[in-house]
Amino acid sequence: RKEVEQDPGPFNVPEGATVAFNCTYSNSASQSFFWYRQDCRKEPKLLMSVYSSGNEDGRFTAQLNRASQYISLLIRDSKLSDSATYLCVVDGQNFVFGPGTRLSVLP
Amino acid sequence: NAGVTQTPKFQVLKTGQSMTLQCAQDMNHNSMYWYRQDPGMGLRLIYYSASEGTTDKGEVPNGYNVSRLNKREFSLRLESAAPSQTSVYFCAGSGIIRGARDGNTIYFGEGSWLTVV
Repeated sequence: RKEVEQDPGPFNVPEGATVAFNCTYSNSASQSFFWYRQDCRKEPKLLMSVYSSGNEDGRFTAQLNRASQYISLLIRDSKLSDSATYLCVVDGQNFVFGPGTRLSVLP
Repeated sequence: NAGVTQTPKFQVLKTGQSMTLQCAQDMNHNSMYWYRQDPGMGLRLIYYSASEGTTDKGEVPNGYNVSRLNKREFSLRLESAAPSQTSVYFCAGSGIIRGARDGNTIYFGEGSWLTVV
């Protein structure tokens, strides 16, 4: 089993849709959790950290369930500019990246 | 504030040639990393350095060497390039940004596109 797994995607959604990404991790000792965004031919960039209490940043909401070792990212009112690959990242001994889920928001 | 800077951005090598990818960070991070990213494979850790003077193997270290010259610089060397090393290489640094809620996070350079023919 891979350390970090994500929905395989791709997700093709219309503008304004709500889309949710799921991620599971295998190392129960992991301490920190993040969502990164990667545009085509660019470096990954931090989208948001994921806190135990859940956190929201504008249209983006992240949730963590330590018991189930599960992380989610919800994007509301999706925009064309949200089209990218979303990477789930878990920090234990080192940062471990999921394979990513590609999102295409269509006009 | 450039963050993480890596060079070159693009390089074409012939099989058997050697080259060094350079990386420097100005964020005063203790830890630095080299990843490679291939289609369908995600980011894979090649080597990392938890602090100046130390280096450790990651998931895919074969064919590579690294050098942590000082706190700012972490270079990746291909001694004898092979077509299997055609990839995008990302250097990164991680640390706690004072005053930031995010704590220990990882920041990437813009990537180096390497083709071995």
